[in-house]
Amino acid sequence: GNSVTQMEGPVTLSEEAFLTINCTYTATGYPSLFWYVQYPGEGLQLLLKATKADDKGSNKGFEATYRKETTSFHLEKGSVQVSDSAVYFCALSDLSGTGRRALTFGSGTRLQVQP
Amino acid sequence: DAGVTQSPTHLIKTRGQQVTLRCSPISGHKSVSWYQQVLGQGPQFIFQYYEKEERGRGNFPDRFSARQFPNYSSELNVNALLLGDSALYLCASSIGIGTSGGLEQYFGPGTRLTVT
Repeated sequence: GNSVTQMEGPVTLSEEAFLTINCTYTATGYPSLFWYVQYPGEGLQLLLKATKADDKGSNKGFEATYRKETTSFHLEKGSVQVSDSAVYFCALSDLSGTGRRALTFGSGTRLQVQP
Repeated sequence: DAGVTQSPTHLIKTRGQQVTLRCSPISGHKSVSWYQQVLGQGPQFIFQYYEKEERGRGNFPDRFSARQFPNYSSELNVNALLLGDSALYLCASSIGIGTSGGLEQYFGPGTRLTVT
């Protein structure tokens, strides 16, 4: 079956530091990959996505590259802000014969950015 | 435009009771999916519905059921509640399914269910 493994948190950084959150996946097919962010007390927001090998997803200064050879989709940001403090989830989506697209999530990584 | 809306926001139930959670998708979206997020974990897929038909089901017992209405809104029902059903229940909508607008799922704020 499908699975996603993320680095455990919390990750604590100072403002303007460089961020990397590691994510690797196992999938039987050729999945699409996503990063979602969850702010306290809120639902999930789609941060970025990539649908094929070597695709780079980017949004709000965050980026991640679909690496099929290493089955990875690491999230990076060059300079974090206090407002980036949240829980980040890596996820994959496969496609079944019925058209079902189910997201499989990692366990989440909490990011704390200190001023 | 309004995003995905869910009701109620919070709910407290007793073991053995039944609960119904509601979801309204983004206008124009025809698919609704349900996820369960236990505290400290990532969400787990429960169901996906499209055009009132179940298109996928995750590894959840038959106590969990859902349906989708002609206006594309959806209800999730859980019978015979257990303490372990305490979680945040998230609804997500997408334009379609598969390769026809099914790639991006947009989540609602969730319903926090506490079973005592």
